[in-house]
Amino acid sequence: GAVVSQHPSRVICKSGTSVKIECRSLDFQATTMFWYRQFPKQSLMLMATSNEGSKATYEQGVEKDKFLINHASLTLSTLTVTSAHPEDSSFYICSAPQGTYHYGYTFGSGTRLTVV
Amino acid sequence: DAKTTQPNSMESNEEEPVHLPCNHSTISGTDYIHWYRQLPSQGPEYVIHGLTSNVNNRMASLAIAEDRKSSTLILHRATLRDAAVYYCISGGVDNAGNMLTFGGGTRLMVKP
Repeated sequence: GAVVSQHPSRVICKSGTSVKIECRSLDFQATTMFWYRQFPKQSLMLMATSNEGSKATYEQGVEKDKFLINHASLTLSTLTVTSAHPEDSSFYICSAPQGTYHYGYTFGSGTRLTVV
Repeated sequence: DAKTTQPNSMESNEEEPVHLPCNHSTISGTDYIHWYRQLPSQGPEYVIHGLTSNVNNRMASLAIAEDRKSSTLILHRATLRDAAVYYCISGGVDNAGNMLTFGGGTRLMVKP
């Protein structure tokens, strides 16, 4: 089946630094990717939608200058958390629809970000 | 996407069937019912989806009420590895890029 590879799985960074999270679709092309954030014991909240070759669309309340999204190719989308603060500590998950002929959304394995 | 309502948690014994309910009373005629599950510290994974007819696959069965206002995910024999949060989502089968909107889900606990 379709696979989305997400890296890193865990990252600890200092306040004020930036962290990049990568999501790659391994065996299909993903013109769209969705980025979610999940706090402990809560559900997934959509942050933004990235589209290959165009600007990302951010959900209300999500700062686009803080969460930079780049969808550089049909198989790679990145989320950069800039000037990270402890309140940005969360579980970040990407997802991509599997394509025209296959139903379903494939999710990455998630990135646990801890900002200290 | 139409809003869905699920119990916060359910318990099951290992090797017994589990019926996870979901209400989606505002579902539109073209909305599908999707189920995903999330194991601890992992991204969600697809379980099953359907529109009107009941559906079976190797993971589970989906029973959809005749009026489509509710559905039930059935795990025929729960195992410890089925302990997860199960999300019921209603919306289009849309591989063009509409996102899935997650509700609270049901946390399934499986007792040995």
